Formats: sequence, structure tokens, C-alpha cells
Amino acid sequence: ILNVEQSPQSLHVQEGDSTNFTCSFPSSNFYALHWYRWETAKSPEALFVMTLNGDEKKKGRISATLNTKEGYSYLYIKGSQPEDSATYLCAFGGRRALTFGSGTRLQVQP
Amino acid sequence: NAGVTQTPKFRILKIGQSMTLQCAQDMNHNYMYWYRQDPGMGLKLIYYSVGAGITDKGEVPNGYNVSRSTTEDFPLRLELAAPSQTSVYFCASSYSLAGGSGGTQYFGPGTRLTVL
Repeated sequence: ILNVEQSPQSLHVQEGDSTNFTCSFPSSNFYALHWYRWETAKSPEALFVMTLNGDEKKKGRISATLNTKEGYSYLYIKGSQPEDSATYLCAFGGRRALTFGSGTRLQVQP
Repeated sequence: NAGVTQTPKFRILKIGQSMTLQCAQDMNHNYMYWYRQDPGMGLKLIYYSVGAGITDKGEVPNGYNVSRSTTEDFPLRLELAAPSQTSVYFCASSYSLAGGSGGTQYFGPGTRLTVL
């Protein structure tokens, strides 16, 4: 069983704060690292898929970086808004299937 | 383009009953997956398929069976339902990346199952 760890487990920030989360994963047999956004009572939605060491992806105020040699990825949210409140999942892509972390639950207070 | 569809949305089963959760996708994805989400936990992979006729176990396959006779459909069968199978079940599909691993996964709306 692969170990995909996310920290922190939960985070409460004020509107306008910038924040970041960490995902750590095995540095061997790496194919891809995924980030998903999961709102309560909905289905997970893809944010990024990163495959190369040093990859950086950006979508609006959200960005992510990848270090496959040391086995970690960071997700950054700049100027958090209440609509950013969700659970953010990372997933380690092995040969065929993904192994998900337990997620970071973000609450943004207006 | 409906994406990934799942039926039913909700179901209550008695211990020992069986049922099939349906999943279909219209994106011509070759990879399909079944996950369960337990309270306070992330997603645990039950079974996955990389193409019609090919299935493989995930992390928590006990008590479940799958089949993949077409590209579009990937039903999950629960035999002899137990309270431990109370969960929300998500089906997902993806294309494959170069090298064979799964690409971005697209999730269905989920099926909430309670076993009493």
C-alpha cells in the first residue's frame, strides 16, 4: 500500500489570506501527481496533473509545484475566497491507478 | 455529453442482500475506477479497469465484484451486503497518459449506500 500524506488535515483562513498545502508521496515508480478539489456533497474535480520534476501549473489564483526527486508537491491559493472552501486531494499516479491522500479541508471565513 | 453517470443515487440494503451499482461514461475513456469514501477518510480504490475485458483489484476489493464488457459500462456488484459497506461510492473514468498511467479522472455524482 502506497503512502500518500497530506498536511495539514484542515485549515481555517480569513478571506484574502494566501495559503498552501503539502502532499508527500513515494519518489519511486512515479508517473503523475494529481490535485483535485472536492466540495461538500459534490464529486471531486480535477485541478492539475503534473508529470515532470519541476512542473508548475496555474489556474487562476491556484498554483501547484512538483518535486519528484524528494517526493512532494505544494498547492498554493493566493488571496483565498469563501468559494475556495473545499477539500483538496492529491493523488499519486502509479503504473495504472491513483492512490489518494486523505485531503486538506480548507475553510475560508468571509 | 453526460460525462460519468451513476445509478442509483441512494439505496438502503438489508444485511445479506445483493445489488449492482451502475456506472457509464460517454467520453470513450479506456480507464474506469470504483472508489468508496468513508467518513473522515479520502477515497479508497475498490477495483479498476484499463479496458474492456480487463479488471484489477484496488486497495479494498473484498465483498465486491466488477465486470467490463464494454468501454462505456463498469458495474460494481455487492454480494451479501454488510454494514461495513455503508459508504458513498464514486465511479470515475480517465484516458491514459503516455507511458500507460491514468490521466485526469472524471467522477460521477456518487451513490450513497446504507446497509442496515
